[in-house]
Amino acid sequence: GQQVMQIPQYQHVQEGEDFTTYCNSSTTLSNIQWYKQRPGGHPVFLIQLVKSGEVKKQKRLTFQFGEAKKNSSLHITATQTTDVGTYFCANNNNDMRFGAGTRLTVKP
Amino acid sequence: DSGVTQTPKHLITATGQRVTLRCSPRSGDLSVYWYQQSLDQGLQFLIQYYNGEERAKGNILERFSAQQFPDLHSELNLSSLELGDSALYFCASSVGSFNQPQHFGDGTRLSIL
Repeated sequence: GQQVMQIPQYQHVQEGEDFTTYCNSSTTLSNIQWYKQRPGGHPVFLIQLVKSGEVKKQKRLTFQFGEAKKNSSLHITATQTTDVGTYFCANNNNDMRFGAGTRLTVKP
Repeated sequence: DSGVTQTPKHLITATGQRVTLRCSPRSGDLSVYWYQQSLDQGLQFLIQYYNGEERAKGNILERFSAQQFPDLHSELNLSSLELGDSALYFCASSVGSFNQPQHFGDGTRLSIL
């Protein structure tokens, strides 16, 4: 299946700075899911967005689904060292598509 | 604890050999997915089963095969192993066949010597 493109590949921030990762598709997505994988761990489901223009928040995390349902973003406000890990977007409609992931490192 | 169980946790074998990885999905989940994650790489989708039937196929090599049994557990068979097959293999499960959150197991780390 066609991959969803995710940028950036890496992001290194100072603790307290904000962080954003973007996910883009050339085709309309039925939904978008976000996962977090801590170093040495397994991916953990964070959230699913379904509606056009949808915005959901989980504490310092804000998830958005584009109006055209072709892109999505995850924004973390005031990063903490516990945010370290790789963030993946994914879509599993007709086939399974995972973004390449954005690896976030946070300097204390 | 995701509720998804994968065995074994680690597997070390030689080139040319064959191994079987096992996955028990979360209670109530009918779909099982298999992924390969090489060192510092993303998740490569291999294959999905739903209630015993193959549902979707990704970048799975012909040397690899999988099946889901009536009790819903799944096995991934890797044969004629090559050095490049060394990776972390994840199993995930979900309630439905698509558009469902997936719950991942801890993975099986396969090392080919």
